[in-house]
Amino acid sequence: AQTVTQSQPEMSVQEAETVTLSCTYDTSESDYYLFWYKQPPSRQMILVIRQEAYKQQNATENRFSVNFQKAAKSFSLKISDSQLGDAAMYFCASLYTGNQFYFGTGTSLTVIP
Amino acid sequence: DTGVSQNPRHKITKRGQNVTFRCDPISEHNRLYWYRQTLGQGPEFLTYFQNEAQLEKSRLLSDRFSAERPKGSFSTLEIQRTEQGDSAMYLCASRYSGDIEAFFGQGTRLTVV
Repeated sequence: AQTVTQSQPEMSVQEAETVTLSCTYDTSESDYYLFWYKQPPSRQMILVIRQEAYKQQNATENRFSVNFQKAAKSFSLKISDSQLGDAAMYFCASLYTGNQFYFGTGTSLTVIP
Repeated sequence: DTGVSQNPRHKITKRGQNVTFRCDPISEHNRLYWYRQTLGQGPEFLTYFQNEAQLEKSRLLSDRFSAERPKGSFSTLEIQRTEQGDSAMYLCASRYSGDIEAFFGQGTRLTVV
């Protein structure tokens, strides 16, 4: 079974500071993709960042970056210079062989002004 | 294109009634997914389509649930004889099979009373 685990139900960060959200996954597949999605309250999920498993270089999108540790099956999200608009639920997700996405249980991020 | 559209946004129904939700994906996207999300949980896979073909169904999708995508464009999810345990947010997502990013709708929140 493919599983995604987020062990931090809630996190908080001071505005302008850096926070790291953790995610681990379990798979026997060699070809897969990993994602972080953001779900603001009462709004749709949007993609924050994605990582192809075959790429060794960690993905970066502006203030968002990942630490992809393939051997450890770890995929953490770092948010730098946190902003009030970053407050949301963050879901780690995986995709294997082009089929369904598997999601973790989410981390609720609070940004403190 | 305004993205993935889901209707209705909210539905309150009495136990035992049938409900139907609609999802209009992004026009060029040939893959369409249905997910269910309960409070405090990540989205759980229900089913997905490639064009009009339903390629995979979760064991979560009991006989009371049926999904269609008759012309490979919009999709409907019907729940018959609703139960209180069906109360959840039902999410639709679409993507083009040549890419890995899925785009989500805002969801339909179902409350069974």
